[in-house]
Amino acid sequence: DAGVTQSPTHLIKTRGQQVTLRCSPKSGHDTVSWYQQALGQGPQFIFQYYEEEERQRGNFPDRFSGHQFPNYSSELNVNALLLGDSALYLCASSLQGLNSPLHFGNGTRLTVT
Amino acid sequence: AQSVSQHNHHVILSEAASLELGCNYSYGGTVNLFWYVQYPGQHLQLLLKYFSGDPLVKGIKGFEAEFIKSKFSFNLRKPSVQWSDTAEYFCAVILSSARQLTFGSGTQLTVLP
Repeated sequence: DAGVTQSPTHLIKTRGQQVTLRCSPKSGHDTVSWYQQALGQGPQFIFQYYEEEERQRGNFPDRFSGHQFPNYSSELNVNALLLGDSALYLCASSLQGLNSPLHFGNGTRLTVT
Repeated sequence: AQSVSQHNHHVILSEAASLELGCNYSYGGTVNLFWYVQYPGQHLQLLLKYFSGDPLVKGIKGFEAEFIKSKFSFNLRKPSVQWSDTAEYFCAVILSSARQLTFGSGTQLTVLP
């Protein structure tokens, strides 16, 4: 079963640096969403990509940006890292239909020091 | 603002005890409702979902949830828990016209053998 795969699994960065996280969706899925899960919190929606365009965005600053490639894989970029960006970043894939459930990857644990 | 509340942060039960986890949401429109589970070291997995129809929905592993529209609630239940149910449980809501899934803060369930 080609589930959602994310890389890297762990990452340590310094304040002010930039980071790129990667996601390959489940086979057959065309939509990728990114979530941030801080310690002790539920996942918070960052944005969703479909047809290589950002379709919806949550309450995150412009430092958070993304990209979707023709093969449906996606990247999440965070610039000018802050200590508060330390979190588990989750990628979820689905089909474009509104009732399509999300399938999550294992996440990338980002630590900003 | 839209929000999802999970009343219990940590629940500890003995095997064979009954489980009920509370979830309330504040949305004005038609919603789709979900419960996700995260077992230790694993990715978020869908337990069950409600879109329309019978407000009592059954999911995997013997879980069920009841949508009570008048109370804006979607509580998760299981008649008899097992040690293997130890995990974190997240309630999530999406407006039927939207693409953004909003999660509660999660409930950590510990089942003692």
